[in-house]
Amino acid sequence: EAQVTQNPRYLITVTGKKLTVTCSQNMNHEYMSWYRQDPGLGLRQIYYSMNVEVTDKGDVPEGYKVSRKEKRNFPLILESPSPNQTSLYFCASSLGSRGSYEQYFGPGTRLTVT
Amino acid sequence: AQKVTQAQTEISVVEKEDVTLDCVYETRDTTYYLFWYKQPPSGELVFLIRRNSFDEQNEISGRYSWNFQKSTSSFNFTITASQVVDSAVYFCAHVTGTYKYIFGTGTRLKVLA
Repeated sequence: EAQVTQNPRYLITVTGKKLTVTCSQNMNHEYMSWYRQDPGLGLRQIYYSMNVEVTDKGDVPEGYKVSRKEKRNFPLILESPSPNQTSLYFCASSLGSRGSYEQYFGPGTRLTVT
Repeated sequence: AQKVTQAQTEISVVEKEDVTLDCVYETRDTTYYLFWYKQPPSGELVFLIRRNSFDEQNEISGRYSWNFQKSTSSFNFTITASQVVDSAVYFCAHVTGTYKYIFGTGTRLKVLA
């Protein structure tokens, strides 16, 4: 089954404790992206990657890191989480330039930072 | 600046009513794509439709229809004969060749039985 998976689905952590949210897709998509969803703000893009080893900042990259060492994986790293990073996070993938840009989303990760 | 505006924060309708969700976009580019996504109460994001900037044909898919008008920079979504299962948050989005996606803030649709 074609899908985007994210782990963990729920995470409660404390300020400053490094964490990684994993994202994997099995559709051989070039493009992957991370978003955060907050009430009243819609989805905002954090980082995106057009291919292996190619990443770029979205609208809200501060406090986040990403890497794209393999085509299928695109982990989101919070080196020192803070309470304002409490949010619902989505990973997405698409064909990118080889397709029509529609994205397929993972199930979401609800992160709480206390 | 690139921007997507969904001015309707929340809409409530009674089942079987028609409802239109508005989306207005701003872009500097001549080549771009527009999308609608649905987020039901279960939380997942579901792709509904894509339109590119060179295709202004309206589209109908069952009870759903989309009206793309470049002259007014709008890409509106109409649900005909709404059903309770249509209750969700609907997002309009835009992307250009720079791969930066811009989403609107979403419209919450409540369809009452």
